[in-house]
Order: sequence, then C-alpha cells, then structure tokens
Amino acid sequence: DGGITQSPKYLFRKEGQNVTLSCEQNLNHDAMYWYRQDPGQGLRLIYYSQIVNDFQKGDIAEGYSVSREKKESFPLTVTSAQKNPTAFYLCASSIGGGRMNEKLFFGSGTQLSVL
Amino acid sequence: QKEVEQDPGPLSVPEGAIVSLNCTYSNSAFQYFMWYRQYSRKGPELLMYTYSSGNKEDGRFTAQVDKSSKYISLFIRDSQPSDSATYLCAMIGGGTSYGKLTFGQGTILTVHP
Repeated sequence: DGGITQSPKYLFRKEGQNVTLSCEQNLNHDAMYWYRQDPGQGLRLIYYSQIVNDFQKGDIAEGYSVSREKKESFPLTVTSAQKNPTAFYLCASSIGGGRMNEKLFFGSGTQLSVL
Repeated sequence: QKEVEQDPGPLSVPEGAIVSLNCTYSNSAFQYFMWYRQYSRKGPELLMYTYSSGNKEDGRFTAQVDKSSKYISLFIRDSQPSDSATYLCAMIGGGTSYGKLTFGQGTILTVHP
C-alpha cells in the first residue's frame, strides 16, 4: 500500500541532544513537508521541500534542520537549539509541480517529549 | 489576530445529530479550502476539498464556503460515534503560498451513543 511512514512513534530527547525523526513515502510525490502540532493549536509548518536536494524554511524553522537526498525520504533533526521541542510532529507529502492547490497526505506522526 | 479562527470546542452531540463546524478567516487571498479529520494520535486525513463559494456534498458530509463573508463550514448529517475526532480546517491562496496550508486550531468532536 502506498503511504507515508513516520518513525519512531514516540521519541524522548535529553537536554542538549539532537534527535532525528524519519519520514519515508512511496507515493512518488515530489513535495514533502514537516509540521508541528501543539495542543490547542493548528499545525505549523517547519520546513518543506519541492524537489530533491532543495528545501525551504517554513514559519517555525529555528532549531530544526532537514535534508532531502532522496525523493522518498525527508528526515527532520530537532537540534539542541530548539528549547521547546515537545510536540507532535507530522510529515506530509503532495504530488508537487508548483500547483497551489496541492492536496497534502499525512503520516501518522511522531510524539517527541523531553526527559 | 490569527489568519484562521476555529472554535476548539469541545463539542459533544448525541448519535444521529447534525453537526456544524465552522472557521473564519481574514486573508482574502485564500482560494482553496479543506477539512481534515484527525483521530487521536494519528495524522490528519483529507475529508473535503473545495474551491469556489457554495456547497459540496460527499455522503453525510457537506462543505460550505462563503468567500464574501470569509466563512467556511462542515456539516455532518446523521453523526456516528466513529465521527468522534478533531476536525481541522485548512486553506491556501496567494502567489507565494505554494504548498503552505494555514490551519485552524481544530475542533474536538465527540458523538456519544
């Protein structure tokens, strides 16, 4: 079945530690996204990538980094510079191609907590 | 002021009730409007997708867009316990907002038997 796989489902971070969240898709989509969801708030865009080897900052990129070396993969690293990392992280993808009316499809999310 | 406002609820209704979920927005550049359903600790799934003002129906779900009032709604008829979830409105528009959806806060809905 085609879809988006996020791992792990739960992740714990110690102070000063960098952690990486995995996102893999087999939908053959060009565009991929990372959103952060906090309780009582809507989703906020962290980073997005329209094509391999290219990515753009979203609204809340500080303290995060990404890479897009393969079409299928878009890992997110939460660095020690992110002082409030506890949140539910969602990866999404869309067909791409520059159309504004992209339909986003989401993975099942990773819950990150600070020890 | 947030670009998209959505009443977080929670909203609790009996099975079979008609549910109305609403969002208002301030950015007149928004052109495409979506409703996502999110079960607890899961990713959102696309429920409805509309472009023009008016109504769009899909089974028990009706999405309504009023661009003149900057107001969108999702109606659920004959609500079922399986409809219990968080409903997120989302929208996009403007030349530089490629792929960047703006979401409402989400409304928590519980349908009790």
